[in-house]
Amino acid sequence: EAQVTQNPRYLITVTGKKLTVTCSQNMNHEYMSWYRQDPGLGLRQIYYSMNVEVTDKGDVPEGYKVSRKEKRNFPLILESPSPNQTSLYFCASTSRIHMAAFFGQGTRLTVV
Amino acid sequence: QKEVEQDPGPLSVPEGAIVSLNCTYSNSAFQYFMWYRQYSRKGPELLMYTYSSGNKEDGRFTAQVDKSSKYISLFIRDSQPSDSATYLCAMISRNTGNQFYFGTGTSLTVIP
Repeated sequence: EAQVTQNPRYLITVTGKKLTVTCSQNMNHEYMSWYRQDPGLGLRQIYYSMNVEVTDKGDVPEGYKVSRKEKRNFPLILESPSPNQTSLYFCASTSRIHMAAFFGQGTRLTVV
Repeated sequence: QKEVEQDPGPLSVPEGAIVSLNCTYSNSAFQYFMWYRQYSRKGPELLMYTYSSGNKEDGRFTAQVDKSSKYISLFIRDSQPSDSATYLCAMISRNTGNQFYFGTGTSLTVIP
């Protein structure tokens, strides 16, 4: 089954404790992205990658890091999480041919 | 001015009604247009995908794109309670790389 898999689905952590949210896709898509979704603000792009070892900032990159060492994986790293990073996070992958994004099920992060 | 404008609703209709959801946009370079359905606490699910102008039908769903007016629509016929969700429009141009532009979503409730 074609899918984008994020882990964990739910995470509660404390301010300053580094964490990683993993994302993996099995569709051989070239493009991958991370979004956060907040009430009233919609989906905002954090980082995106157009190929292995190629990443770029989206609209809200501050406080986040990403890496793309393999085509299928695109982890999101919060080096020092803060409460304003409490949000619902989505990973997405996109085929460069069809240009439609497919989303993971989301990671609900709470930073206390 | 936002790149994509979408009426947030909420929209409440009786079962069996025809639902019309709309987005307007400002960037004439957009080429690919999508509608996503998002259930509460789930990831956005691709519902309809259209390249350039025209209509596309899939079962009870019809997507319309009018590039001259910079206006896209999603019609749902014979609406069902299971259609109750938030609907997001999205668009992208190859010139913008992997940068999607999303509407903020319209919340729809179909009352049995």
